[in-house]
Amino acid sequence: DGGITQSPKYLFRKEGQNVTLSCEQNLNHDAMYWYRQDPGQGLRLIYYSQIVNDFQKGDIAEGYSVSREKKESFPLTVTSAQKNPTAFYLCASKPGYQETQYFGPGTRLLVL
Amino acid sequence: GESVGLHLPTLSVQEGDNSIINCAYSNSASDYFIWYKQESGKGPQFIIDIRSNMDKRQGQRVTVLLNKTVKHLSLQIAATQPGDSAVYFCAEKDSGGSNYKLTFGKGTLLTVNP
Repeated sequence: DGGITQSPKYLFRKEGQNVTLSCEQNLNHDAMYWYRQDPGQGLRLIYYSQIVNDFQKGDIAEGYSVSREKKESFPLTVTSAQKNPTAFYLCASKPGYQETQYFGPGTRLLVL
Repeated sequence: GESVGLHLPTLSVQEGDNSIINCAYSNSASDYFIWYKQESGKGPQFIIDIRSNMDKRQGQRVTVLLNKTVKHLSLQIAATQPGDSAVYFCAEKDSGGSNYKLTFGKGTLLTVNP
């Protein structure tokens, strides 16, 4: 079953805690992305990666970190430096030759 | 259209009617546009795309129209069904920018009444 998977579906963070959101794709896509979605706002780019072992900051990278050690995986860590982490987080991927991005099901992060 | 604060523009239609959802963009250098559908609590799904060298593109029950003169994009859904209820948003790519980045609109909430 091909596609993009994100886990967990819901994640709870305590004050001062780092949490990691998983994103995996088996589509052989080169590029992967992390977006944050808040109510009533457009998607905002956190980080993106065009190839393995390389990634760039997006528009709202502060308080987040990523790694791209494998083509299939692009985990996002929400650090304690992110003071307002409550949001819906979306991972996307695309082939290098296309502009269209395809999205995973999302992870909703809530703060306890 | 654009949203104000936390409230998305909304469109309410009767089942079987045609729906038209609009998107205004500001970047005259945008050369590629996409429409996505997002159901509550789920990730966005690709619906249809169009390049700036086209004015119209049709898919299954959907048509996208591009008016570059007024920088306006619309999505038409024929014979709207209850399963079409979702937030629809457009995305654009700048021709002078990276192939890797899209700019997303805030979306319109479509509600289909049975």
